[in-house]
Parts: sequence; C-alpha cells; structure tokens
Amino acid sequence: DAKTTQPPSMDCAEGRAANLPCNHSTISGNEYVYWYRQIHSQGPQYIIHGLKNNETNEMASLIITEDRKSSTLILPHATLRDTAVYYCIVDSGNTPLVFGKGTRLSVIA
Amino acid sequence: GAVVSQHPSWVICKSGTSVKIECRSLDFQATTMFWYRQFPKQSLMLMATSNEGSKATHEQGVEKDKFLINHASLTLSTLTVTSAHPEDSSFYICSADRDGETQYFGPGTRLLVL
Repeated sequence: DAKTTQPPSMDCAEGRAANLPCNHSTISGNEYVYWYRQIHSQGPQYIIHGLKNNETNEMASLIITEDRKSSTLILPHATLRDTAVYYCIVDSGNTPLVFGKGTRLSVIA
Repeated sequence: GAVVSQHPSWVICKSGTSVKIECRSLDFQATTMFWYRQFPKQSLMLMATSNEGSKATHEQGVEKDKFLINHASLTLSTLTVTSAHPEDSSFYICSADRDGETQYFGPGTRLLVL
C-alpha cells in the first residue's frame, strides 16, 4: 500500500502557482519524498525528490515540513501542459516505487 | 536528463503468441530495472524487479514463466509475454534506477491481445 495521502483532484488557473499537498506521516528517516507525474498515456515523468531540505529545479519546488510528515510540490507558473496525475511517493531508493492514486491536476485556461 | 526508451510503443498480437518488449537506459547504466503494468483508470502495479546478471524477482501473482524477464546488460532489460491472452492487454512500463536514488521511466508499451 502507498504510504502517502493526496487529494484526488485539484484545479489550477493557467499562469498561477499549483500547490499539491502530500501527507506521509509514517515516513522513515532514510526515506526520500519523490514526485512524479503521468500525462495521459505516457510513462511517469520524474519531477523532483528530497530528503529533509527544500529542493528546487527547473520544473518545480519541493517544500518538506520540518517533521517530514508532509510536503508540498509547487509548480510556479502552471501551464495547460502541466495537466496530469501527480504522484507523491516515499521510498528509500533503489527499491520498487509504490504508486498510490495520486492527484489529478487540471490546469484551466 | 536521464532517458529510458521502450520498444515497441504499441503492439497488437493474436491470442497465444509471444510478445517481447525492450527497455533501454540510453545515457546511463542501470543495474536494476523494474517492470510495471497499468490497467485503464488504475495506478501502476509492480510486476517484477530485474537485476543485471541475475534472475528477476516477480511479485506475488505474477507468473514468472509467463512474464519472462532478461536483463543481459546494464542498459537493456526485456519482458516477454508468453502465450498472450486478451486479459494481458495492458500498458507496460519499465523504469531504470540510475544511481540507487532516482528511477526514470520509459514511455510505456501498449499491448492489445486479440
């Protein structure tokens, strides 16, 4: 079973920041928080991951709470092409990823 | 970025035939690759873990003699669906572990068995 809880769906206006929450209250000390997204009929795309510190790359920012029990993925300026299912996964690395149901993000023009 | 390819991207076959799907890591070596499948409106489900130079580990309920996996090199793993039946029709996706920390996924192979 997935160790994370995400809202089933969210809407975001194009050009606005999309903030996707994730709860992982049972995360272990050696587990990372990973975010992937899956656009319809494609394989999952890696977005970002982190252990303790906040992370930022060209796609998104990841904010992890100090107690590591929750995190937020931020897409700073959402576009229509960001419409996808977003998966938050906790894993220690080098092991199979367990996918939950994710959050279906709809970016609206 | 890390690139993983799959071939073919889609395949249609007759019931009873075998189908081979290739997964390649194009710009990195992967000791470990994973095979998933995804049925419509469902999430990805792990089928097996493929380790270079050793036998694959299949998940419970996934028949190892039906879903043959070969990981002959650090950049190639193959999944062969033997004696395919209509219920095997699905979206098959592989992933490759680049550095023991991050996995990258292929674009998927859509299999339709008639």
